[in-house]
Amino acid sequence: GAGVSQSPRYKVAKRGQDVALRCDPISGHVSLFWYQQALGQGPEFLTYFQNEAQLDKSGLPSDRFFAERPEGSVSTLKIQRTQQEDSAVYLCASSLSSGFYEQYFGPGTRLTVT
Amino acid sequence: SQELEQSPQSLIVQEGKNLTINCTSSKTLYGLYWYKQKYGEGLIFLMMLQKGGEEKSHEKITAKLDEKKQQSSLHITASQPSHAGIYLCGAGQIEGADGLTFGKGTHLIIQP
Repeated sequence: GAGVSQSPRYKVAKRGQDVALRCDPISGHVSLFWYQQALGQGPEFLTYFQNEAQLDKSGLPSDRFFAERPEGSVSTLKIQRTQQEDSAVYLCASSLSSGFYEQYFGPGTRLTVT
Repeated sequence: SQELEQSPQSLIVQEGKNLTINCTSSKTLYGLYWYKQKYGEGLIFLMMLQKGGEEKSHEKITAKLDEKKQQSSLHITASQPSHAGIYLCGAGQIEGADGLTFGKGTHLIIQP
């Protein structure tokens, strides 16, 4: 079956613009995660959904970051008024259920803010 | 907060040689994941360890979690060019939590 897909793969935004990044998890996966990966670093946790419920958003760096998963499948990460420090790869992952299950990652969206 | 330290940061190994990558935590590990990442791509799941003393193998890669659950190692036997990439360890932040904390990664280069 299909893996986790993300779109767009690349996004260039001018400082101050709003962006929306999409994640399509593996069908039937209950849990969905967003991570941010800066160049040369490991991914950093942003937020976590179980179905449509956002259970943890402790990693979101500011109130300019907002994530939703309204129907419990596709998720969107929105960044308002982008800043240069938002430039990074945004990774989405899904897993079958909560707890210790394999997290399957998408290819990521590389965001460059100019 | 939990921190994961990986060593070495980078490693150049001649094809056919064995190698080991380490991941050390400042706190007890509740589930330890190993992933591989190629530049510009997402993470590929390798293995997950939960119990102290647990060891898992897949093809030529073996991962272990020590008894005290504060360190894990990834061992590759008879390395091949396909093993090149960035290896990341990730751990659950607290027991039962789902978001992972990752190390900075170990960049592995295989020399022919």
